[in-house]
Amino acid sequence: DAGVIQSPRHEVTEMGQEVTLRCKPISGHDYLFWYRQTMMRGLELLIYFNNNVPIDDSGMPEDRFSAKMPNASFSTLKIQPSEPRDSAVYFCASSLDRGRLGEQYFGPGTRLTVT
Amino acid sequence: QQQVKQSPQSLIVQKGGIPIINCAYENTAFDYFPWYQQFPGKGPALLIAIRPDVSEKKEGRFTISFNKSAKQFSLHIMDSQPGDSATYFCAASKGGSEKLVFGKGTKLTVNP
Repeated sequence: DAGVIQSPRHEVTEMGQEVTLRCKPISGHDYLFWYRQTMMRGLELLIYFNNNVPIDDSGMPEDRFSAKMPNASFSTLKIQPSEPRDSAVYFCASSLDRGRLGEQYFGPGTRLTVT
Repeated sequence: QQQVKQSPQSLIVQKGGIPIINCAYENTAFDYFPWYQQFPGKGPALLIAIRPDVSEKKEGRFTISFNKSAKQFSLHIMDSQPGDSATYFCAASKGGSEKLVFGKGTKLTVNP
């Protein structure tokens, strides 16, 4: 398997623009997670899905952030409008099933810079 | 209750040394404790994990020690190598079946 795939790897955008990050989980994995990593706050869970259904979005910082999972092989994280404080590395991860939620496979991340 | 506190924030050792990274938790319902390793420019990767029914687990040069009464667990890297230089995250969850709570990470540098 190719592992978790994320695109783009780098994104530079101006404040106020819409940003869409994409993720393809490992085939057969039931769970998908979106994380944000910054030096100040470390690794933060934003939202996770089970079988394409959002289970916990309590980590989504504000209404500017939204995530969707239209099918088992694709998810998006959208920021609209973007702000400089959204600059971070965003990771997508997937895990096989409920009994192994702790065994998460991370993608390479998308480094977002908002100027 | 949901926090996992990790220390130190950074650590520098010489090749062959034994770096030790410590984590403490408050929530006694936690019963799955993984460690993740992250190299620059990469996503974290699961390194080793332990459940509280054992006090120690070894995989190669990596060992987790677990102290249930103290609510602490630690990662030891035996005979450390420059290739072990990375950021290490401890984490915890309830039964491995809920979301992970991550520590803040420890940046390890192993000098040649």
